[in-house]
Amino acid sequence: GAGVSQTPSNKVTEKGKYVELRCDPISGHTALYWYRQSLGQGPEFLIYFQGTGAADDSGLPNDRFFAVRPEGSVSTLKIQRTERGDSAVYLCASSRGYSGTPGEQFFGPGTRLTVL
Amino acid sequence: AQSVAQPEDQVNVAEGNPLTVKCTYSVSGNPYLFWYVQYPNRGLQFLLKYITGDNLVKGSYGFEAEFNKSQTSFHLKKPSALVSDSALYFCAVRRYNFNKFYFGSGTKLNVKP
Repeated sequence: GAGVSQTPSNKVTEKGKYVELRCDPISGHTALYWYRQSLGQGPEFLIYFQGTGAADDSGLPNDRFFAVRPEGSVSTLKIQRTERGDSAVYLCASSRGYSGTPGEQFFGPGTRLTVL
Repeated sequence: AQSVAQPEDQVNVAEGNPLTVKCTYSVSGNPYLFWYVQYPNRGLQFLLKYITGDNLVKGSYGFEAEFNKSQTSFHLKKPSALVSDSALYFCAVRRYNFNKFYFGSGTKLNVKP
């Protein structure tokens, strides 16, 4: 079946612009995560959704970052007033959801964001 | 603070030899521990996890990992390495009852023929 997909695969923008990154999770997966991965580093947690609600957004670096999942499926990560330091690969992952023990996360291929 | 350390940026091993990729963690309370692998131009793939029970966990592609609570370690092992195992490996930890995952910085495994 289809895995997690992310669009676009690459995004180049100018400093100060607004960007939206999209994640399509595996059908039926209620849990969705966003991560940011800088070169030479491991994924850094940004936000976790259980269904439509952001259950944990403690990883969002500041108020320029926002994410939504209005229907409990597709999610969009939104970055306002982009800065050069926002350049990274943004990863999305989904899983069956929390039912006492954590399930396996399935990762998408990522969106490479470059802020000039 | 919760964290994961992968002390080796790179591990080199000859094909057919055993391999170990090290991981230590710091977490409050009981940990959930994971290993993921990242091949070039591909997404992260789940290898195995420790939740509770037997300290030795077996996963995909012949990999296994041993949870050692006293040493706060979760090293990844394989008895006989393959060239195709060459990839970037990430250890991750999650606190019991919390949703936030913490990943290590990754270890590049090079298996030479």
